[in-house]
Amino acid sequence: AQSVTQLDSHVSVSEGTPVLLRCNYSSSYSPSLFWYVQHPNKGLQLLLKYTSAATLVKGINGFEAEFKKSETSFHLTKPSAHMSDAAEYFCVVILIQTGANNLFFGTGTRLTVIP
Amino acid sequence: EPEVTQTPSHQVTQMGQEVILRCVPISNHLYFYWYRQILGQKVEFLVSFYNNEISEKSEIFDDQFSVERPDGSNFTLKIRSTKLEDSAMYFCASSPGQESQPQHFGDGTRLSIL
Repeated sequence: AQSVTQLDSHVSVSEGTPVLLRCNYSSSYSPSLFWYVQHPNKGLQLLLKYTSAATLVKGINGFEAEFKKSETSFHLTKPSAHMSDAAEYFCVVILIQTGANNLFFGTGTRLTVIP
Repeated sequence: EPEVTQTPSHQVTQMGQEVILRCVPISNHLYFYWYRQILGQKVEFLVSFYNNEISEKSEIFDDQFSVERPDGSNFTLKIRSTKLEDSAMYFCASSPGQESQPQHFGDGTRLSIL
């Protein structure tokens, strides 16, 4: 079975401080992993993806994530939080080897940025 | 940049009625999806569609649901005999192909069943 676990339902940081949103995955196959962001009343926007190339993946808006197979983790980071980063963040896995193409979403982490 | 567009943004329907949620995927994409997000819960996969047929569906996608690509641009989700528990945000997505190509999402349709 495959799944993702987002360890924190809510993270609160001050503007200008680092962001860390944690994600662990479980998979019988080599996973492809994504982070999506959802701003209020908006759809899901792709931040970045890992597909077995470089383990450190850079995304939009200064976010990046590192795939660590030994820790089965794919944590999302940003050096300095901006007010506009306040949103819901989803860690997502897909298993192409099974022939399926659907995404499995984590439960989400709500990021609050304090001025 | 091309976008996935969904209409309407909010749909209010009486229980027992049928609703059709509409989506226009990105034009050169080949795979289409519907997902559901009940308030306060995670986003759940409903169905994927390729080459004019369903390629995969979840347990949620029972006989109450159907999808269709009636023309070259629209991709619709029909829900028959709606129930209160069908109230949710419904997201349409499309991707160029498989091989972990990212899925692009619309802004969603909020469905409220009264």
